[in-house]
Amino acid sequence: DAMVIQNPRYQVTQFGKPVTLSCSQTLNHNVMYWYQQKSSQAPKLLFHYYDKDFNNEADTPDNFQSRRPNTSFCFLDIRSPGLGDAAMYLCATSRDYTGFYEQYFGPGTRLTVT
Amino acid sequence: AQSVSQHNHHVILSEAASLELGCNYSYGGTVNLFWYVQYPGQHLQLLLKYFSGDPLVKGIKGFEAEFIKSKFSFNLRKPSVQWSDTAEYFCAVNAQEAAGNKLTFGGGTRVLVKP
Repeated sequence: DAMVIQNPRYQVTQFGKPVTLSCSQTLNHNVMYWYQQKSSQAPKLLFHYYDKDFNNEADTPDNFQSRRPNTSFCFLDIRSPGLGDAAMYLCATSRDYTGFYEQYFGPGTRLTVT
Repeated sequence: AQSVSQHNHHVILSEAASLELGCNYSYGGTVNLFWYVQYPGQHLQLLLKYFSGDPLVKGIKGFEAEFIKSKFSFNLRKPSVQWSDTAEYFCAVNAQEAAGNKLTFGGGTRVLVKP
């Protein structure tokens, strides 16, 4: 089945130690998104790619970076994780850029910062 | 910027009871509206969506939602819930005229259906 895959499902990192989260998709969608979801809160968009064009949300901290080396893969890099970055990180895709396309979500990576 | 509010954070009900979850949004333009569901341990899945036309939309698993433009609301309903409807439900919107298909989510409602 076509899907959005996130690895790992659980990640533990130390305070200040860089960490990379991975997302891949078999849907061949143009747009990929990264959301941060803290406990009991709504998913919050961090950034998204339309093809190779990167779009950062205005309030996304500089500590968060992303790479999309090809259509299928997208990475979330946290350069110096703080305790406040502990959260579920969700990857999503959509076929195209307008609001009429459904977003498909991966299972998420739960990040713990010790 | 748009915002979404879901009135209930937690709902507990028994099987066969009716369910209604409230969702209100704030945005000056035309929006697309979505309800997503997250079953325990699973990813977010689309329940239903509204773009235009009949304001009463039907989704999967017996869910429906009604868009009331004058109230900026998009409430989710199910006439008779099952234990398997235990999940977290998220309302979301995006702006029709804006590029990027960026969703704004409500805070979610956790629904527990007791057998």
